[in-house]
Amino acid sequence: AQSVTQLGSHVSVSEGALVLLRCNYSSSVPPYLFWYVQYPNQGLQLLLKYTSAATLVKGINGFEAEFKKSETSFHLTKPSAHMSDAAEYFCAVSDSGSARQLTFGSGTQLTVLP
Amino acid sequence: EAQVTQNPRYLITVTGKKLTVTCSQNMNHEYMSWYRQDPGLGLRQIYYSMNVEVTDKGDVPEGYKVSRKEKRNFPLILESPSPNQTSLYFCASSPEMSNSPLHFGNGTRLTVT
Repeated sequence: AQSVTQLGSHVSVSEGALVLLRCNYSSSVPPYLFWYVQYPNQGLQLLLKYTSAATLVKGINGFEAEFKKSETSFHLTKPSAHMSDAAEYFCAVSDSGSARQLTFGSGTQLTVLP
Repeated sequence: EAQVTQNPRYLITVTGKKLTVTCSQNMNHEYMSWYRQDPGLGLRQIYYSMNVEVTDKGDVPEGYKVSRKEKRNFPLILESPSPNQTSLYFCASSPEMSNSPLHFGNGTRLTVT
């Protein structure tokens, strides 16, 4: 069985500061991992995905995530926050890689302060 | 433009009045799914469909029905809505290949009074 835990339902950072959104997963097999972003009044969009080709994954809008098997983590980072990064972020895991078995975390709302 | 289209965006209804939320995708995706999003719970899968005439229950199917008569359409039906079905609903699709990302619609906010 797979599960995802996102630590911190709300995170606030100042514009220009480091963004760190935490995601820990539980999986009995090597997982497929995703980060999605949801802007206000929109559906979710793929930010990045882990494909096992590299542990450091680069996504859109300057975001990246590092897969750490020993820590069962897939934290999302961005060196310098921008006001337009304010959104809700979801981590998701799938044991099989199939969309029908995707499990989402509870989400982290990111606020960027001027 | 490749997209998943849901209608309506907002819906207010009363308990017991049947309703349908439509979902259509123009990407020829085999897989389609419905989720509900509630604060603090993330997205939970209601039903999914692997292809035409193939549907299956997700994690929270009670009180919902779906059908997949055509590849592009996957409507969500609430035969007798109740207040605990007040939520934000998302339709999503993807090609049924390993590690393919989901493409989401813009959501339907349903309020049942």
